[in-house]
Amino acid sequence: NAGVTQTPKFQVLKTGQSMTLQCAQDMNHEYMSWYRQDPGMGLRLIHYSVGAGITDQGEVPNGYNVSRSTTEDFPLRLLSAAPSQTSVYFCASSYLKARANTGELFFGEGSRLTVL
Amino acid sequence: GNSVTQMEGPVTLSEEAFLTINCTYTATGYPSLFWYVQYPGEGLQLLLKATKADDKGSNKGFEATYRKETTSFHLEKGSVQVSDSAVYFCALRRGGGNKLTFGTGTQLKVEL
Repeated sequence: NAGVTQTPKFQVLKTGQSMTLQCAQDMNHEYMSWYRQDPGMGLRLIHYSVGAGITDQGEVPNGYNVSRSTTEDFPLRLLSAAPSQTSVYFCASSYLKARANTGELFFGEGSRLTVL
Repeated sequence: GNSVTQMEGPVTLSEEAFLTINCTYTATGYPSLFWYVQYPGEGLQLLLKATKADDKGSNKGFEATYRKETTSFHLEKGSVQVSDSAVYFCALRRGGGNKLTFGTGTQLKVEL
């Protein structure tokens, strides 16, 4: 039961570097999303996707890009890392179709990113 | 816009004590409400949910009742255990999509 798999679990970057956080799910979920978790701020939605080829912005999209070429994968790209992007990132997925959509999101274990 | 307000933590309790974590929300219409739990070093997982007014969600001894009149969804447990130590997030979903709005989280520490 792999569920939602995120890699890497830990990463340290220097300001200005780029990197990609990987997310894969094996539950055939239509919906995938990225959140960041910061102390005192809870989880904030960065980007989301309702299916392959479809992405949209969430609450805090600046500095991040996403793509959804397959149902299974939803990578998050940091184009030029900044210290303000130091955070814990979570990928989450769920069903969207009405009969299967309970509203439950399935989360990965998180990726802790530090930008120096 | 939508928002969720939770009581600040950390909340520290002795084992077998009664737990209440307050959650209130702001949203138009009739959102679905959720409690998620995050154990140390793990991702969030759904604890319970309620989709309409007066619904009670329950799981693992935890309960929460959707109160439309007070826009609240307080989490309760009659007797906490050390294994309940975690961060608890209240969240709402408004509309047909699965974008959730989360509260800031409340850390619970249960001591022997």
